[in-house]
Amino acid sequence: DIQMTQSPSTLSASVGDRVTITCRASQSISSWLAWYQQKPGKAPKLLIYKASSLESGVPSRFSGSGSGTEFTLTISSLQPDDFATYYCQQYNTPTWTFGQGTKVEIK
Amino acid sequence: QVQLVQSGAEVKKPGASVKVSCKASGYTFTSYGISWVRQAPGQGLEWMGWISAYNGNTNYAQKLQGRVTMTTDTSTSTAYMELRSLRSDDTAVYYCARERESGGSSYWGQGTLVTVSS
Repeated sequence: DIQMTQSPSTLSASVGDRVTITCRASQSISSWLAWYQQKPGKAPKLLIYKASSLESGVPSRFSGSGSGTEFTLTISSLQPDDFATYYCQQYNTPTWTFGQGTKVEIK
Repeated sequence: QVQLVQSGAEVKKPGASVKVSCKASGYTFTSYGISWVRQAPGQGLEWMGWISAYNGNTNYAQKLQGRVTMTTDTSTSTAYMELRSLRSDDTAVYYCARERESGGSSYWGQGTLVTVSS
């Protein structure tokens, strides 16, 4: 199975900060990567698909980049609603995998 | 609007089986696959598998092979996930999710808590 490693595991930031989360794949997944946001007690919400395509309705402060084995999710100006846990997911192979998650906390 | 409505919470004993349903509405059921994802308490997301609602083809996570079966009933637009030989570490919230074109899961059910306890 392809392993997905996110960093950092926890990130402390302030409103207005630029935030970057990294996701590395154990082998090339082309651009078959999605990013999700999850808040406590809620289902995940798709933010980005195909590495850099913004899901409809998601604010433009979210962006994704990368291909192959290294990917990033960037929040250009962190808002109060963005404090949550973020997961990457690869869907290159018949069996998909999630990263372990990155919790974005208030500094 | 697209909705996925899951069955209610379950409490099972170790060794038992559980079958969770996911009723879809608001779109053509056979046009999109359904994934199942679970989340143990305080833990991350774990992909369990995927089923094509068009032809029933499945892909399962290797660690669950032999214990999990995913099916669909196109007459009722419902997907099912059955997990057998339950253990305490299967205690989790189980989600169904509908895929989107170009990948990712756009729509999610509300989650079903399955508790395995003697």
